[in-house]
Amino acid sequence: DAGITQSPRHKVTETGTPVTLRCHQTENHRYMYWYRQDPGHGLRLIHYSYGVKDTDKGEVSDGYSVSRSKTEDFLLTLESATSSQTSVYFCAITSGTGDGYTFGSGTRLTVV
Amino acid sequence: QQQVKQSPQSLIVQKGGIPIINCAYENTAFDYFPWYQQFPGKGPALLIAIRPDVSEKKEGRFTISFNKSAKQFSLHIMDSQPGDSATYFCAASGRSNYQLIWGAGTKLIIKP
Repeated sequence: DAGITQSPRHKVTETGTPVTLRCHQTENHRYMYWYRQDPGHGLRLIHYSYGVKDTDKGEVSDGYSVSRSKTEDFLLTLESATSSQTSVYFCAITSGTGDGYTFGSGTRLTVV
Repeated sequence: QQQVKQSPQSLIVQKGGIPIINCAYENTAFDYFPWYQQFPGKGPALLIAIRPDVSEKKEGRFTISFNKSAKQFSLHIMDSQPGDSATYFCAASGRSNYQLIWGAGTKLIIKP
């Protein structure tokens, strides 16, 4: 979707290395989310943000941290990547006024 | 009480048939029920949504039926086409609309 972009689209990294995924939006939406999607598990919320510098944990936050220093950017960091973090990561945004979520195209991360 | 239970996990229908995907919820504070469609390699996209003040909503070939007393809602796809093959997610949220609770997803295959 043109209003939200994720980078990189694909990444292969080694176990133990730090990794940062970026979500950038041009919609000026207040709420931003990071999900991971794995076969058989649907969408699982990692962290979300409800404003600049305001973030909270989701259901699978262990091993992940986030930062939001500007409205438009929401960063997801894997401090020390593990093979269990191999997944497809999606960022989503919403205004919170009933318009639903808009998702990015995803980042496929492989930890070897 | 925060869960949304979605069934079936997978569904195969012949072209022209009417696949039906069901979701059930417990939290009576939920008042927004969207469905998302996801194609392989893409992020989920909002398909159709309903609020509990109506029992049915149609958009093109897609219909949501809502049963408030049973706390259930379902997606029907009329005259299904192979291009409708995708994974479908139901979700629910309260009045704030910024925190969606997701179903586990249904992989739908429409056979030519």
